[in-house]
Amino acid sequence: DAGITQSPRYKITETGRQVTLMCHQTWSHSYMFWYRQDLGHGLRLIYYSAAADITDKGEVPDGYVVSRSKTENFPLTLESATRSQTSVYFCASSESRVPSEQYFGPGTRLTVT
Amino acid sequence: SQKIEQNSEALNIQEGKTATLTCNYTNYSPAYLQWYRQDPGRGPVFLLLIRENEKEKRKERLKVTFDTTLKQSLFHITASQPADSATYLCAPSGTDKLIFGTGTRLQVFP
Repeated sequence: DAGITQSPRYKITETGRQVTLMCHQTWSHSYMFWYRQDLGHGLRLIYYSAAADITDKGEVPDGYVVSRSKTENFPLTLESATRSQTSVYFCASSESRVPSEQYFGPGTRLTVT
Repeated sequence: SQKIEQNSEALNIQEGKTATLTCNYTNYSPAYLQWYRQDPGRGPVFLLLIRENEKEKRKERLKVTFDTTLKQSLFHITASQPADSATYLCAPSGTDKLIFGTGTRLQVFP
C-alpha cells in the first residue's frame, strides 16, 4: 500500500517552461493539498481540493494551476516556471476537512534555472 | 494577518531531558492546533491534535498544551532520545486550512 506518492522526486527545468508535478493517493481521501516549503517561510498552501472537480486557492496560488478529475490524483502545473518557484513541493491528503490530520507525500524538489 | 512564531534557532538538549518547544500565534483564534514532525528530506508526519477546549493532551512521551489566553502552545517530549531529533511544526487552524509555522529543529545528543 503506497499511501501518497509524488513524482518526480527531483526536477530541474528552465524559466518559462511548463512543468507538472504529480500526486497520487490510495486512501480515497476527499481532501488533497499542495504546499511549497521554502527556508524562512515554512509550509505555504498553494491550492487544495475538497473532492473531485472542486478546487480552491490557498495562500500562494499565483503561477500555479491544479485539476482534480479523479479522487486519487491531484496534479500541480506551473504554467511558465520562474526562478521564484524553485522550492520543495509537498502534496498531502486528509480524510475530511480540518482538523482531520494530513498525510504528506515525500516531496518534489524543483529547481528552475 | 495571521502569524505563527516558532523559535527558529535549533534546540539542543541532552538525551533523557525534557524538550519544550513553543508555538505562538497572533491575529486569529484557532479552534485546533496540530503538531507535526519533519525529518530531513521527508514530508511532515502528524503527531498530535489539541482542541481549544482542551488544555492539555498526551500521547506516550509527548505532551501538548494549548493556552488560548496567551495564544501559545507548548510541545514537550519527555525522556528525549536521539531518535527524536527532527524539526517540529505547529499548525493552528480555525477554518478549512492549516497554517504552518516555520518549525523548530530539535537536536538530542547522547
